[in-house]
Amino acid sequence: EDQVTQSPEALRLQEGESSSLNCSYTVSGLRGLFWYRQDPGKGPEFLFTLYSAGEEKEKERLKATLTKKESFLHITAPKPEDSATYLCAVVVGGYQKVTFGTGTKLQVIP
Amino acid sequence: SQTIHQWPATLVQPVGSPLSLECTVEGTSNPNLYWYRQAAGRGLQLLFYSVGIGQISSEVPQNLSASRPQDRQFILSSKKLLLSDSGFYLCAWRNPGLGYNEQFFGPGTRLTVL
Repeated sequence: EDQVTQSPEALRLQEGESSSLNCSYTVSGLRGLFWYRQDPGKGPEFLFTLYSAGEEKEKERLKATLTKKESFLHITAPKPEDSATYLCAVVVGGYQKVTFGTGTKLQVIP
Repeated sequence: SQTIHQWPATLVQPVGSPLSLECTVEGTSNPNLYWYRQAAGRGLQLLFYSVGIGQISSEVPQNLSASRPQDRQFILSSKKLLLSDSGFYLCAWRNPGLGYNEQFFGPGTRLTVL
């Protein structure tokens, strides 16, 4: 069975304290991996798509990387406005099927 | 640009009552459409997806049904709500012509069944 596991479940950082969120997956035939940001009470907001091991994508203070077994979302010098739940999701086989992890809730303290 | 709308934003319904949630997409044609449910502490669960008008695929047997009466309209329904139907319902769309690309989500509907 395809599985996506995100860690840690929750992360509290001081403003400016860089860290990484992990998304590990056990799937057969990864076709793509997505990262989303979700604010409380809102729909997920798309951040990145990664397709192959070694690929990297950057957006402001966020950088996503992909290996054959996991993806990392690196947050450099975070600000309070980066506080949110970050979700990763994998596309396996047919592109209709996207399996989501349960997310990492990030809190950045001023 | 494309936008996706969902309504209502919040809904409180008694057990046994019917349900109708609506999702519409603007600025694109022939999108793939999806309904997800998000329960507290759990990942997004895919409920239904549609690749075209009248074409619905169900992922999880349950008390819900979906319909796509128009190209950019997706409706989630129930004849009799259960307590377990409470949750945050999200509609999403993707452009099917661009490979394994991302889905874009609407603002969601918070459903509470009492």
